Amino acid sequence: AQKVTQAQTEISVVEKEDVTLDCVYETRDTTYYLFWYKQPPSGELVFLIRRNSFDEQNEISGRYSWNFQKSTSSFNFTITASQVVDSAVYFCALSGEYGNKLVFGAGTILRVKS
Amino acid sequence: DVKVTQSSRYLVKRTGEKVFLECVQDMDHENMFWYRQDPGLGLRLIYFSYDVKMKEKGDIPEGYSVSREKKERFSLILESASTNQTSMYLCASPWETQYFGPGTRLLVL
Repeated sequence: AQKVTQAQTEISVVEKEDVTLDCVYETRDTTYYLFWYKQPPSGELVFLIRRNSFDEQNEISGRYSWNFQKSTSSFNFTITASQVVDSAVYFCALSGEYGNKLVFGAGTILRVKS
Repeated sequence: DVKVTQSSRYLVKRTGEKVFLECVQDMDHENMFWYRQDPGLGLRLIYFSYDVKMKEKGDIPEGYSVSREKKERFSLILESASTNQTSMYLCASPWETQYFGPGTRLLVL
């Protein structure tokens, strides 16, 4: 069975601090996909990144970066120089097949204070 | 632009009512999913469909049913709403990524 664990329930930081959101996954599949989503107070899920199991390269997109390590089954997300607009719930998710159902972690609430 | 729409953003229903949540996608995708979101539990899969008139149970199907008569529309039905079905419901249709609708916040009184 697949499982995603986001151990951090809630994180509070002050603006401009860096913050890392942890994600650990379990799967027996050799091919799988990992995702991060952001859910602002409006409620809509915003797609941030998809990574397949054969691509362990780290990715950077502006202030966001992701560290994928198969050896530790982790897919962590770092926000550099956090801003108030980063306040949201962040979900990590796993899918065994392209375009298939997702297994979500419980989510991490990020509060960025000015 | 990709679009998944849900019929209502907010709904208030009474216990025992039959509730219909509608989801429409304009991407001609075969796969559609219904998730339920609760604090501390993340999103959990209720039902999904790979094609018209096809449906598969997800992880928490009890108390729900679905209908897929047309490719673009996937309906979630609460046969007899109960207070423990108060939640946020999200529809998704995936391709390279999972496209989610805006969600329906359902309150059952």
